[in-house]
Amino acid sequence: DIVLTQSPVTLSLSPGERATLSCGASQTVSSSYLAWYQQKPGLAPRLLIYDASSRATGIPDRFSGSGSGTDFTLTISRLEPEDFAVYYCQQYDRSPYTFGQGTKLEIK
Amino acid sequence: QLQLQESGPGLVKPSETLSLTCTVSGGSISSSSHYWGWIRQPPGKGLEWIGSIYISGSTYYNPSLKSRVTISVDTSKNQFSLKLSSVTAADTAVYYCAKPGNYYVVFDSWGQGTLVTVSS
Repeated sequence: DIVLTQSPVTLSLSPGERATLSCGASQTVSSSYLAWYQQKPGLAPRLLIYDASSRATGIPDRFSGSGSGTDFTLTISRLEPEDFAVYYCQQYDRSPYTFGQGTKLEIK
Repeated sequence: QLQLQESGPGLVKPSETLSLTCTVSGGSISSSSHYWGWIRQPPGKGLEWIGSIYISGSTYYNPSLKSRVTISVDTSKNQFSLKLSSVTAADTAVYYCAKPGNYYVVFDSWGQGTLVTVSS
């Protein structure tokens, strides 16, 4: 199985700051088959990014994804109050299609 | 707008079978997507893909659950279903049904989720 390790586990920032979240894969993720989701308490996850860098429909352009191979990054250029949540990466290169353990983005 | 809604018992006894249904509204299950999926999340933990079904009935399961999982689709009812047999406390989780977008396991529409607790 491809294990995804997200770092940091918790990130404390203030609105207006830039957030950088990392996702490392235990094996190469081919064709950048990596997605990012946002999840707020009590709600279902929301797809943000797929193919490592393509924004899903309706996602603001302050969210961007990058990376390839085994190292991927989600960047939020300027944090809005509604961005504080848990973020998960997911690889869909090979089954089982695994998720990272999540990064909690909290208000400092 | 497409909506998904999970339904089923919130409490299942150990060793029994968990059964959930996802009802799709706002569009036909046959035309809205060719694939549909189930994902779960134990309380306070991360996400786990359980499996997906193609509208023709072909299924794709997480190998760790494959021996216990059955996903089926009923196009006449606009529903798809999940059965997980021989459950233990480790199967306690919020279960989500979801629709993928560009790739069959990248989910862009989700149900609200339903908590299933395994306990005697």
